[in-house]
Amino acid sequence: GDSVTQMEGPVTLSEEAFLTINCTYTATGYPSLFWYVQYPGEGLQLLLKATKADDKGSNKGFEATYRKETTSFHLEKGSVQVSDSAVYFCALSEPGYSTLTFGKGTMLLVSP
Amino acid sequence: EAGVAQSPRYKIIEKRQSVAFWCNPISGHATLYWYQQILGQGPKLLIQFQNNGVVDDSQLPKDRFSAERLKGVDSTLKIQPAKLEDSAVYLCASSLDGHYGYTFGSGTRLTVV
Repeated sequence: GDSVTQMEGPVTLSEEAFLTINCTYTATGYPSLFWYVQYPGEGLQLLLKATKADDKGSNKGFEATYRKETTSFHLEKGSVQVSDSAVYFCALSEPGYSTLTFGKGTMLLVSP
Repeated sequence: EAGVAQSPRYKIIEKRQSVAFWCNPISGHATLYWYQQILGQGPKLLIQFQNNGVVDDSQLPKDRFSAERLKGVDSTLKIQPAKLEDSAVYLCASSLDGHYGYTFGSGTRLTVV
């Protein structure tokens, strides 16, 4: 079945550092890929998405590129802020289906 | 627009008791989902509704979990009887057309003792 693997956390960075959170996936078809963010005490929010190979999703300074050859969708940000501290989830959905398969999540902690 | 509303926010019960969670999706959203998020794991789908019909309940433990969506709007998820391993956050989400980027509620955190 489908699965999503994310790097273990927590990831601890200083403000303005470069961020990479790795995500790889296994799927039977060509899925759509997503990054969701969960701030403390809140629900999940869609951060960005990509629906086909080589697409780049971007939002709020975060980017991720759909790499079919490496089955990856790594999340990057050039300069993190304290307010980016949250748990980040990589997820996929198979073509024609809207249900999501999530990774375990990666906690990001940014210090001033 | 108003978001997805869930209640209660927190619930503590003893094992073998029953519990119910309520979800009010965004107005006009036809598709509604319930996910279970166990601590340290990603959310896992329990059930998906399209209007008031069930689309996917393959991962719902039907011996103890039940869900309904009357009139295609609000939904209730029930657990009876609860087990310790049911301790989790129960997330409700809705979408307009069943496609990407649906909106999640803040969740109900259940602790079974």
